[in-house]
Amino acid sequence: DTAVSQTPKYLVTQMGNDKSIKCEQNLGHDTMYWYKQDSKKFLKIMFSYNNKELIINETVPNRFSPKSPDKAHLNLHINSLELGDSAVYFCASSQVGFTEAFFGQGTRLTVV
Amino acid sequence: DQQVKQNSPSLSVQEGRISILNCDYTNSMFDYFLWYKKYPAEGPTFLISISSIKDKNEDGRFTVFLNKSAKHLSLHIVPSQPGDSAVYFCAARGTYKYIFGTGTRLKVLA
Repeated sequence: DTAVSQTPKYLVTQMGNDKSIKCEQNLGHDTMYWYKQDSKKFLKIMFSYNNKELIINETVPNRFSPKSPDKAHLNLHINSLELGDSAVYFCASSQVGFTEAFFGQGTRLTVV
Repeated sequence: DQQVKQNSPSLSVQEGRISILNCDYTNSMFDYFLWYKKYPAEGPTFLISISSIKDKNEDGRFTVFLNKSAKHLSLHIVPSQPGDSAVYFCAARGTYKYIFGTGTRLKVLA
């Protein structure tokens, strides 16, 4: 039973399109995150949510809009995709008073 | 400004020997550090952590050492096994985020 699951695992799309990545966690955690791993393999925080409220937005372009319908879900919608958006996106979750975060398997987004 | 740094992008070690992965940080306010292991096409998985009130934490073959005065931590794997071959990320816990280093690719040679 997967703790943090993301869909899809792979996403290939054309420039200018709009796409969404879904994330669900069944750990009962209060905090969820989106991370981006770029071509240099650097894992960088994009957003963090606590109890459905946005806590961190790390200077991410407005084309990226996270949405948390409930504590167990954090989706990422990307408008007007650009070539530079190609990366692997990881969803993660942790508990308040947290120690470690648990990561999903990642979504490899390729913009062509 | 990279607050967590792993200066060795790769490391090769013979099976059975010790692997030592290093990590430096710049923010003295960090109070909790973690090591993650990542295989290709998978998400990072938690390996071991250490609180800033300790200088050592051990879990089986894995030991993490923290030197607060030097702002340095290291992960020791003894003995190294071929299945340990992966990318290892050091991370520091910030406020509602984890700050990762750039990773070290460990290759354990059989």
